[in-house]
Amino acid sequence: SQQGEEDPQALSIQEGENATMNCSYKTSINNLQWYRQNSGRGLVHLILIRSNEREKHSGRLRVTLDTSKKSSSLLITASRAADTASYFCATPPRTSGSRLTFGEGTQLTVNP
Amino acid sequence: EAGVAQSPRYKIIEKRQSVAFWCNPISGHATLYWYQQILGQGPKLLIQFQNNGVVDDSQLPKDRFSAERLKGVDSTLKIQPAKLEDSAVYLCASSAGLAGPNEQFFGPGTRLTVL
Repeated sequence: SQQGEEDPQALSIQEGENATMNCSYKTSINNLQWYRQNSGRGLVHLILIRSNEREKHSGRLRVTLDTSKKSSSLLITASRAADTASYFCATPPRTSGSRLTFGEGTQLTVNP
Repeated sequence: EAGVAQSPRYKIIEKRQSVAFWCNPISGHATLYWYQQILGQGPKLLIQFQNNGVVDDSQLPKDRFSAERLKGVDSTLKIQPAKLEDSAVYLCASSAGLAGPNEQFFGPGTRLTVL
């Protein structure tokens, strides 16, 4: 079964709007990572948030983590057409070192 | 810095045939991963190597899939014989270490179509 599940499955917005994607997971984690995948650049690491952090920023990305609810959210502000991609959350369960379990992903489409 | 290299990029075979994929990780990365990504799903780990040893192959269908990393650098993943449900993108990734939070760097993948 999937460790992480993203919500929504698909999201379509206009350029300049903000996009929010959510991820829920099942077991205790050391950290949670977000990846982006598009046809041009493959799967790319975006940001990592540790289990003792609540919020992290990287450029136009903001990630939150609520370990009590076993959930995380990824906010992309001022979206651009180039942000069109699939976004995955991935978690290494606390007991398994670096092995990542990916969710099904959110397909984001940013319309010009 | 050169990224993770994979070849071939595309492969079309008929069911029951054999196929092999090659991966060259980022120089110095000790940990190498093979993932299978079926269309519309997230990547699923098949096997993880630390140097030339297997760390995790619990999700590798060992009756038909095999992988090796003989010298602790390049790796090959083989499917023999292939089934229709093996159609997927096979991703190779590498990271600097085994323990702790580590970013994984992914190659472009090999898209396999089994007819």
